[in-house]
Amino acid sequence: EIVMTQSPATLSVSPGERVTLSCRASHSVSTNLAWFQQKPGQAPRLLINGASTRATGIPARFSGSGSGTEFTLTISSLQSEDFAVYYCQQYNNWDMYTFGQGTKLEIK
Amino acid sequence: QVQLVQSGAEVKKPGASVKVSCKASGYTFTNYYIHWVRQAPGQGLEWMGRINPDSGGTNSAQKFQGRVTMTRDTSISTAYMEVTRLRSDDTAVYYCARASSSGWMYWGQGTLVTVSA
Repeated sequence: EIVMTQSPATLSVSPGERVTLSCRASHSVSTNLAWFQQKPGQAPRLLINGASTRATGIPARFSGSGSGTEFTLTISSLQSEDFAVYYCQQYNNWDMYTFGQGTKLEIK
Repeated sequence: QVQLVQSGAEVKKPGASVKVSCKASGYTFTNYYIHWVRQAPGQGLEWMGRINPDSGGTNSAQKFQGRVTMTRDTSISTAYMEVTRLRSDDTAVYYCARASSSGWMYWGQGTLVTVSA
């Protein structure tokens, strides 16, 4: 099983700041990595697929990068609606998908 | 527009079974895999398995093998996920999601399953 590790677990930031979230895979997943945003009481929302491709309708302030085992999600200027939990997910192994444990962005 | 609509909340006793449905609309049901993901209260996302609605073929996470069954009814564009021998730690919100080459853009609204004596 590929283990996905996200850091930090919680990040306190102010609106307007730039923030970078990290995700590490225990084995290479190439660029088969997605990022999701989840707000309380809602289903996850796809932000990034293929490590760096923004999903339809996702604002340009969200960007993803990385390959192999190291990945980042960057939000260039935090908006109030961006405070949420973010998950990475690998889909390199097509019969065993795994999520990271999540990073919570909270208002400083 | 693409929609996945799940069945309503369930309360079950330990040892019972639950079957959650996920009705798809707005696209050709057999063209896209359906995945199942669950989220225990206050916890992260956990992948359970997937079904190919065209062939009915399934893959599931090892921890659920033998206890989770995924099926589909193509005549009504609906996928199902049944969990047997329920335990208290199966209490969670269960989601279905449609997979495509562009990612998992479409999700059901979630179904809360509560397991309690």
